[in-house]
Amino acid sequence: EDQVTQSPEALRLQEGESSSLNCSYTVSGLRGLFWYRQDPGKGPEFLFTLYSAGEEKEKERLKATLTKKESFLHITAPKPEDSATYLCAVQADGGTSYGKLTFGQGTILTVHP
Amino acid sequence: GEEVAQTPKHLVRGEGQKAKLYCAPIKGHSYVFWYQQVLKNEFKFLISFQNENVFDETGMPKERFSAKCLPNSPCSLEIQATKLEDSAVYFCASSQMWNQPQHFGDGTRLSIL
Repeated sequence: EDQVTQSPEALRLQEGESSSLNCSYTVSGLRGLFWYRQDPGKGPEFLFTLYSAGEEKEKERLKATLTKKESFLHITAPKPEDSATYLCAVQADGGTSYGKLTFGQGTILTVHP
Repeated sequence: GEEVAQTPKHLVRGEGQKAKLYCAPIKGHSYVFWYQQVLKNEFKFLISFQNENVFDETGMPKERFSAKCLPNSPCSLEIQATKLEDSAVYFCASSQMWNQPQHFGDGTRLSIL
């Protein structure tokens, strides 16, 4: 069974204080690993897809990296508007289930001014 | 449209009543996915469609849950004889292909009293 574990559960940062969020996964065959941001009362907003170990993607203050067992979301010099829940999800490469995402529990990020 | 549209935003039903949720995918997207989010970001996959055909229903409780995607109509998720445990936020997502990023609507909050 595919599993995704995110840590820490919650992270409080001062504005400008860089840090990383972790996503560990177990999947029969990885098709893709997805990072989403979710604001209260809203649906997950797509950030990145990573497909193979060694791949990196960047968007503004966010950078996502992937190894064979985990992914990191690095946040550089965060701002209060980066406060949200960050979700990691994996998609398996075929088998009995195509397309479905298996989500982690999320990391609640709070950035204080 | 450019966004996944889910209606209603909030639905309240008494235990044993029927509930029906709707989802209009992004125009041009062939795949629709339904997820249930209960407690602390725990997402559970329910069912997916490729156009009007069921693509994967491995997560669907067979007894009381049903779903459809018909041409020129919003997709729907229906729950018969609702139970207290059905209280959750139900998210719909759509994608162009099954292995491409899924874009989520803002969900329908279902409250069973």
